[in-house]
Amino acid sequence: GESVGLHLPTLSVQEGDNSIINCAYSNSASDYFIWYKQESGKGPQFIIDIRSNMDKRQGQRVTVLLNKTVKHLSLQIAATQPGDSAVYFCAEIKAAGNKLTFGGGTRVLVKP
Amino acid sequence: NAGVMQNPRHLVRRRGQEARLRCSPMKGHSHVYWYRQLPEEGLKFMVYLQKENIIDESGMPKERFSAEFPKEGPSILRIQQVVRGDSAAYFCASSPGGQSGGETQYFGPGTRLLVL
Repeated sequence: GESVGLHLPTLSVQEGDNSIINCAYSNSASDYFIWYKQESGKGPQFIIDIRSNMDKRQGQRVTVLLNKTVKHLSLQIAATQPGDSAVYFCAEIKAAGNKLTFGGGTRVLVKP
Repeated sequence: NAGVMQNPRHLVRRRGQEARLRCSPMKGHSHVYWYRQLPEEGLKFMVYLQKENIIDESGMPKERFSAEFPKEGPSILRIQQVVRGDSAAYFCASSPGGQSGGETQYFGPGTRLLVL
């Protein structure tokens, strides 16, 4: 079925290094992708989004890359900090829809 | 998550009781969404509402669950005759409305429901 999934369930990163979180999606009709960060006991927090007519978008310390050819989405975090420790979810919205389909999540652990 | 408010933050119910979860969207937002999250899993869509209308309830269980977003007041997710399997975190999100092809949804802090 249609789904959004992640390659790595847990990612350990040294403080100061860059982090890369990957996500694969199967629905080529999706045209809007979002990365959320969720800290323990809290709701998902919007990080960055990208539409299907783009292949890269940058924010503050974060970059999202979209490869439509292989249906792959990634989130890059530069100079990872302890406050970046959380679970990261990618999510998609299909064209003309408003329902978010979430992946299973990747836990990022930042080591001091 | 400034603006999206959910209450209660924690709710304990015994099997067979009713659970009512409330969500007030961000100021200026007219679209509300409810999602459910089990431990160590992603969020699963339940229902999408606009004021006084259910737009998409494809993720709602057929029985015991209902949702509303009245003209005045918060959105309510109601679970009747709760069972232990209903124990989960329930998140509400809101978006401004009016943009086709998807809008950013902003989430509230969630309600953690525990059914004893």
